[in-house]
Amino acid sequence: KAGVTQTPRYLIKTRGQQVTLSCSPISGHRSVSWYQQTPGQGLQFLFEYFSETQRNKGNFPGRFSGRQFSNSRSEMNVSTLELGDSALYLCASSLDRVSYEQYFGPGTRLTVT
Amino acid sequence: GESVGLHLPTLSVQEGDNSIINCAYSNSASDYFIWYKQESGKGPQFIIDIRSNMDKRQGQRVTVLLNKTVKHLSLQIAATQPGDSAVYFCAEGTTSYDKVIFGPGTSLSVIP
Repeated sequence: KAGVTQTPRYLIKTRGQQVTLSCSPISGHRSVSWYQQTPGQGLQFLFEYFSETQRNKGNFPGRFSGRQFSNSRSEMNVSTLELGDSALYLCASSLDRVSYEQYFGPGTRLTVT
Repeated sequence: GESVGLHLPTLSVQEGDNSIINCAYSNSASDYFIWYKQESGKGPQFIIDIRSNMDKRQGQRVTVLLNKTVKHLSLQIAATQPGDSAVYFCAEGTTSYDKVIFGPGTSLSVIP
């Protein structure tokens, strides 16, 4: 069974631009969560999607948004990029909403210049 | 923001020895705790979890201990191997399965 895949793996953007990151969960998994990882703040929860609905949201500004499609694939979008948005963005999937046994993808490394 | 703290940011152990990674959590409402391992260039990997109605849980070469009185969590790795070198994160959540809060991580280095 294929693991969680994230595209692209690396991305360089300029301040003010917007970016869309994609996540394909493990087949059969219906819950997808997004995390931001930085050396200074560590791993921080962004949001969780289940059945195409955002179920939980972390403490991030509205510039961060996401969505989930009927096939459970998910995208996250960051608008008006800031230098501080440079981070590793991780996607994790789980079978449903009754387990924290999440499977993480390799992440998308976003650099904002 | 909310966070789970770790006592030791780095830990070096001799191959074959046992490792103990500690974690302090702050949210009394947390009743679900998880340990993840992150190797360089990879996403975190689920190791083991424990619910607050348990004090101890064992997996393959790993044991998690939970002390709710002092809000302390630990991960014990038996017979540490070079492949155990990684950053280990503790995380807390609730059984209502809302957001999970990760600690800052402990870097484990195994000396051959």
